[in-house]
Amino acid sequence: QKEVEQDPGPLSVPEGAIVSLNCTYSNSAFQYFMWYRQYSRKGPELLMYTYSSGNKEDGRFTAQVDKSSKYISLFIRDSQPSDSATYLCAMWDTGRRALTFGSGTRLQVQP
Amino acid sequence: DAGVTQSPTHLIKTRGQQVTLRCSPKSGHDTVSWYQQALGQGPQFIFQYYEEEERQRGNFPDRFSGHQFPNYSSELNVNALLLGDSALYLCASSPIDGTGDVFGAGTRLSVL
Repeated sequence: QKEVEQDPGPLSVPEGAIVSLNCTYSNSAFQYFMWYRQYSRKGPELLMYTYSSGNKEDGRFTAQVDKSSKYISLFIRDSQPSDSATYLCAMWDTGRRALTFGSGTRLQVQP
Repeated sequence: DAGVTQSPTHLIKTRGQQVTLRCSPKSGHDTVSWYQQALGQGPQFIFQYYEEEERQRGNFPDRFSGHQFPNYSSELNVNALLLGDSALYLCASSPIDGTGDVFGAGTRLSVL
């Protein structure tokens, strides 16, 4: 069983839709939770990171962490064609000092 | 401010050869990590360098080795290349607390 599970998609939505991306994890040692966006043939770009359970908002993006359920989400409001990319969840544990990634969800926003 | 830079961008090698990939971290970052990303997968942690020493290592064989220089730049070496080593190799740098790794654009390695 992978430590981080993420639905690979692809997920196709119309422009303006609300997008929900999710990951589950099994390792209780994970303390920081990140979302990266990766365009084709580029490196991952950090979108958001959170430490505690709850919500964190940044513009059209909201990250949600539920440590009791070992479940994290990223919501994208008013999605745009430029949001079309692969979204990777990643988790950091201070013991290992490295990121463990999900497999990524490919998102396509249709104009 | 330049972010993380990697070279070369693309590389084609044949089985059994050796390859060296290079990385310059973001200014102010002293920790460099290397990841391997196979097609359609998330990045997998290879190892991390801090103060010129390997601090952490993922589940990769000894064919994968690295180095960090006094200016914090780093190299990844892979010996005896296998077809399965074909992937995007990503370098990430971070400050000492390790949160929010910043990634380079990667080196795409093809092993024929």
